[in-house]
Amino acid sequence: AQKITQTQPGMFVQEKEAVTLDCTYDTSDPSYGLFWYKQPSSGEMIFLIYQGSYDQQNATEGRYSLNFQKARKSANLVISASQLGDSAMYFCATLGAGSYQLTFGKGTKLSVIP
Amino acid sequence: ETGVTQTPRHLVMGMTNKKSLKCEQHLGHNAMYWYKQSAKKPLELMFVYNFKEQTENNSVPSRFSPECPNSSHLFLHLHTLQPEDSALYLCASSQSMGGLSGTEAFFGQGTRLTVV
Repeated sequence: AQKITQTQPGMFVQEKEAVTLDCTYDTSDPSYGLFWYKQPSSGEMIFLIYQGSYDQQNATEGRYSLNFQKARKSANLVISASQLGDSAMYFCATLGAGSYQLTFGKGTKLSVIP
Repeated sequence: ETGVTQTPRHLVMGMTNKKSLKCEQHLGHNAMYWYKQSAKKPLELMFVYNFKEQTENNSVPSRFSPECPNSSHLFLHLHTLQPEDSALYLCASSQSMGGLSGTEAFFGQGTRLTVV
C-alpha cells in the first residue's frame, strides 16, 4: 500500500520568491516513482516533475526542483522565482514499479501574492 | 493545448438521467484512466484500461460504466447517480503501465458533474 501526506493545506508566497511544498510518502515497493502535478482552477492536472527512487540526483525542470530525501521518505517540491501563474493546487503522487495506480495526496493550495 | 480532451466540461444531471462523459487522447498512449476528484479528498482511481482492456475497477458502483472502444477514446456512462457522485471527473492517459519510465499520466481538464 502507498500513502502520500501533504501537510500544508494552503501556502502563500511573495512573487519572485522561492517556495517549498512538502510531501512525505510511505510505500512498501522497493522501486517507485514520485510525481508532482499542478491543478489550476480550470481543473486540468498538469504534470510538473518526476523522481525515480533510484535516481542519484534530484530532478529539476526549469523553475521546479524536487528535493528528494529517500531516508526521510520526503519529496518536497521547490518552486523558484514564483510567478502569479503558479497560483494553483499542487499534488504529490507516487507510483510503484509494476503498478498503474497513482496514489495522490490531498494537495496544497499555493497562492502567489503580487 | 492539452493532448487529452474531455467533454463536456460541465454537466448537471438529475438522478434519473443517463449521460456519458467522453475522453479522447491524441498522444498515442496505450493506457487510459478515469479518476474522481471530490472536494477535500485525494483523487480516486476508478477505472484503468490498457490496450483497450479493462485492468482495474476500484470497487466502483455499477451506476458508473466505462467503455473503451479503442486506445484513443474512453467513455464513462452514467445512470441513476446520487448527489454524492457530484465531483470533478478526470480522464488521463499514459504511454505504458508497469514501468516507471514514461509512466507520467497526462490529464484532461475534467468534467465537473453536478447531480441534482
